[in-house]
Amino acid sequence: DIQMTQSPASLSASLGETVTIQCRASEDIYSGLAWYQQKPGKSPQLLIYGASSLQDGVPSRFSGSGSGTQYSLKISSMQTEDEGVYFCQQGLKYPLTFGSGTKLEIK
Amino acid sequence: EVQLQQSGAELVKPGASVKLSCKTSGYTFSNYYMSWLKQMPGQNIEWIGNIYGGNGGTGYNQKFKGKATLTVDKSSSTAYMDLSSLTSEDSAVYFCARGRYYGYPYFDYWGQGVMVTVSS
Repeated sequence: DIQMTQSPASLSASLGETVTIQCRASEDIYSGLAWYQQKPGKSPQLLIYGASSLQDGVPSRFSGSGSGTQYSLKISSMQTEDEGVYFCQQGLKYPLTFGSGTKLEIK
Repeated sequence: EVQLQQSGAELVKPGASVKLSCKTSGYTFSNYYMSWLKQMPGQNIEWIGNIYGGNGGTGYNQKFKGKATLTVDKSSSTAYMDLSSLTSEDSAVYFCARGRYYGYPYFDYWGQGVMVTVSS
């Protein structure tokens, strides 16, 4: 199975700050990567797919980049509603696998 | 509006089975895959398997073969997951999620999740 490693496990950011979350795959996944946001007690929401494509309705302050085994999610200006846990997911091979999550809080 | 409505929380005894449902609306059920995923408290998300709404074809994570069985009822646009021989390790929140293929498979709509608690 492809292992997905996220970092950091948690971070706190001030309002308006730029935040970056990293995701590393155990092998090349050819940009087959998605990012999800999950708020407490809720289901995950798709933010980014194909490593860099923004899902409909997602604010433009979210962006994704990367290639090969290294990917990142950037929030350009942290907002209160961005608190939550962020997961990456690879779509190259079955079984589909997720990173362990990054908990983002307001400082 | 696409909606995935899951059945309510379950409390089941060890060794028993449980059947979870995911009733959909707002899209053509037979044109999409439905996946089921497991999330233990405070932990990672695991993909259990998927099923195609058109013909019921399935794919499973090897880890969950023998544990989970996926079915669909096209007439009611509902997906089901049977979990068998339950143990405490099966206590978790289970999600259904619609598969969307943007070159690779992702999940664009999710059910609200259902908590399964295995306890005597």
